[in-house]
Amino acid sequence: QVHLVQSGAEVKNPGSSLKVSCKISGGTVNSYTFNWVRQAPGEGLEWMGHIITTLGLTNYAQKFHGRVTINADESANTAYMELTSLTSDDTAIYFCSIGDFLHWGQGTLVTVSS
Amino acid sequence: QSALTQPASVSGSPGQSITISCTGTSNDIGSYTLVSWFQQHPGKAPKLLIFEVTKRPSEISHRFSASKSGLTASLTISGLQAEDEADYYCCSYAGSTTRYVFGTGTTVTVL
Repeated sequence: QVHLVQSGAEVKNPGSSLKVSCKISGGTVNSYTFNWVRQAPGEGLEWMGHIITTLGLTNYAQKFHGRVTINADESANTAYMELTSLTSDDTAIYFCSIGDFLHWGQGTLVTVSS
Repeated sequence: QSALTQPASVSGSPGQSITISCTGTSNDIGSYTLVSWFQQHPGKAPKLLIFEVTKRPSEISHRFSASKSGLTASLTISGLQAEDEADYYCCSYAGSTTRYVFGTGTTVTVL
C-alpha cells in the first residue's frame, strides 16, 4: 500500500523560501506523478503544479510561475516543493498527492509571519 | 483560470439523496472527461471519491455517483449518512497550460 509522509509544520518569515518534502513508501518516487495542492485557512483547494517523474517534466500553475519548483530525489524516494518570496498569502496547508489524486500526504502547515 | 463554481452549501436529512453541482467552462469541464470529486473532513487530507467523471475507486461506497453534462458536473450522494457531513470539491483537467482547476467547495450538512 502506497503511503506519503510529508515534512513537519513550519513558520517562515516574509520574503523567505519554503521547501516541503513528500516521502513515498510502498512505491518508488520515479513511478508516479507528484501533484502539489495547497489550502489556505478556511479556503478551497488550489493546484500548484506537478512533476511527471517518469518523463522528468514539471508543470506549474501560472499563478506560481517563477516562485515554485518541484523536483524528486530517487535516492531519498522523496519529492519536494519549493516556494520562494513568501508572503502572508502563502500561509496554508500544503499537500502532495499521487496516482491522479488517489493518495495524499497528511499535509504540511506553513505559516508565514514576521 | 478561475475556480469551478459549486454551491457553498447543501443539506439533507439522513437517508435522502443530495446533488452537488460543479460548473466550469469550455476550457475545462466542457472539453475533458477528467473530472474528479473529493471529500474532505475537517483537519484531514482530501479523499478521492470519483475520477474520470463517473468512476469510483474500489473502496468508495456505491452511494456516491457522478455525471457530467455540458459545462456542469454533478455528484450525487444517496442514502445520506451522518459521516457524509464534510466539504466536497470537484476538480477538472483544464488543458496543457492550466492543467488542473478545483471547485470552490461545497459544505454538506446532514440535518
